[in-house]
Amino acid sequence: AQKITQTQPGMFVQEKEAVTLDCTYDTSDPSYGLFWYKQPSSGEMIFLIYQGSYDQQNATEGRYSLNFQKARKSANLVISASQLGDSAMYFCAMREGRGGSNYKLTFGKGTLLTVNP
Amino acid sequence: GAGVSQTPSNKVTEKGKYVELRCDPISGHTALYWYRQSLGQGPEFLIYFQGTGAADDSGLPNDRFFAVRPEGSVSTLKIQRTERGDSAVYLCASSLTPMGETQYFGPGTRLLVL
Repeated sequence: AQKITQTQPGMFVQEKEAVTLDCTYDTSDPSYGLFWYKQPSSGEMIFLIYQGSYDQQNATEGRYSLNFQKARKSANLVISASQLGDSAMYFCAMREGRGGSNYKLTFGKGTLLTVNP
Repeated sequence: GAGVSQTPSNKVTEKGKYVELRCDPISGHTALYWYRQSLGQGPEFLIYFQGTGAADDSGLPNDRFFAVRPEGSVSTLKIQRTERGDSAVYLCASSLTPMGETQYFGPGTRLLVL
């Protein structure tokens, strides 16, 4: 089974509007972390936001927020007030386990976001 | 400060040749990771270094792939007898420690095997 599923290959949003990118995950480990990265056409993976499995509140970083629904195993990224520079590929990733095993990231296939003027 | 750097940014080689890809992590980061990203896919884990030693190389696809980090800083990913299927973007990342720290990625090396 896929550990990270991103069901939206592509998404379009108008500039200044909000957009939600979906991510569901599969793990039996009670300790895990969820990440979102942005990959512009230049290729670099840019870290956006992190949510730990034991975090009580949803993570926020500026215009980015993570809608974490643990029971549904979903970790959707919400981008508010979209900007043209937000056009990029977005990847959801998970790290499972504690201590020495807690390092390897597993990525989804990504969602290509296009922001229209 | 400087981020993760990777050289070369692009590499074109012929099938059967040997290639080396270099990664210079963020200064002070003890953990270093290599991932491979095929077209249309997310990155896939290859190998992880803690200091000088490869703590986990379970993602290396076969014995043609090898990586070193002799002084605990710069790492080199080495691919012998390259095949067309090795064509991908090779991403390097580093983190301050391996324990739950965010991984910061470099721009990648785009390898094309003809």
